[in-house]
Amino acid sequence: ETGVTQTPRHLVMGMTNKKSLKCEQHLGHNAMYWYKQSAKKPLELMFVYSLEERVENNSVPSRFSPECPNSSHLFLHLHTLQPEDSALYLCASSQGERETPDTQYFGPGTRLTVL
Amino acid sequence: KNQVEQSPQSLIILEGKNCTLQCNYTVSPFSNLRWYKQDTGRGPVSLTIMTFSENTKSNGRYTATLDADTKQSSLHITASQLSDSASYICVVIPISYNTDKLIFGTGTRLQVFP
Repeated sequence: ETGVTQTPRHLVMGMTNKKSLKCEQHLGHNAMYWYKQSAKKPLELMFVYSLEERVENNSVPSRFSPECPNSSHLFLHLHTLQPEDSALYLCASSQGERETPDTQYFGPGTRLTVL
Repeated sequence: KNQVEQSPQSLIILEGKNCTLQCNYTVSPFSNLRWYKQDTGRGPVSLTIMTFSENTKSNGRYTATLDADTKQSSLHITASQLSDSASYICVVIPISYNTDKLIFGTGTRLQVFP
């Protein structure tokens, strides 16, 4: 295990539902990330939090709303999603250091299916 | 066109055989290049990290090489095992070195059969 946990592991939801993905890291890291992984496409960075403040938002639609209440927890709130949002959503954490290689540790992901 | 291209897209080999995965990149300059292994249903796990000045880095049966002149990296797997079945992702970090600027390849899906 990498020290990063995600729940739920699988989620099926309708386009009108509201759900949340949860990520928790037990590594004492300062930075946390949400990625989207679709079939045959590179990982897409969605959000970056450093010391609980959002530092990057790569033009993600507003139907995805992140929340970082503390450095160990990260949420992704979902509402009125589209079928094309079906993907594997990965959470990662890192020390957040910029002077040395800063390895990201990934969680197992949440497999999301939007009907 | 992706800045990090990997080939082949998928590969099937028999247990015990060696294989080599390729990564071509256009990101320049870059800070370091990484190979990740992603098992089905799991998140990626770091295998190797090479700075732009390194030519090779090993991690057990995995050996990564880097040719900065041709902008190519390869991951060589020796004496493959069934547990090597996974996707292997090449990641390049530009020299500006923001952790949020990792550039991912699409990965090579490796299947090892007995």
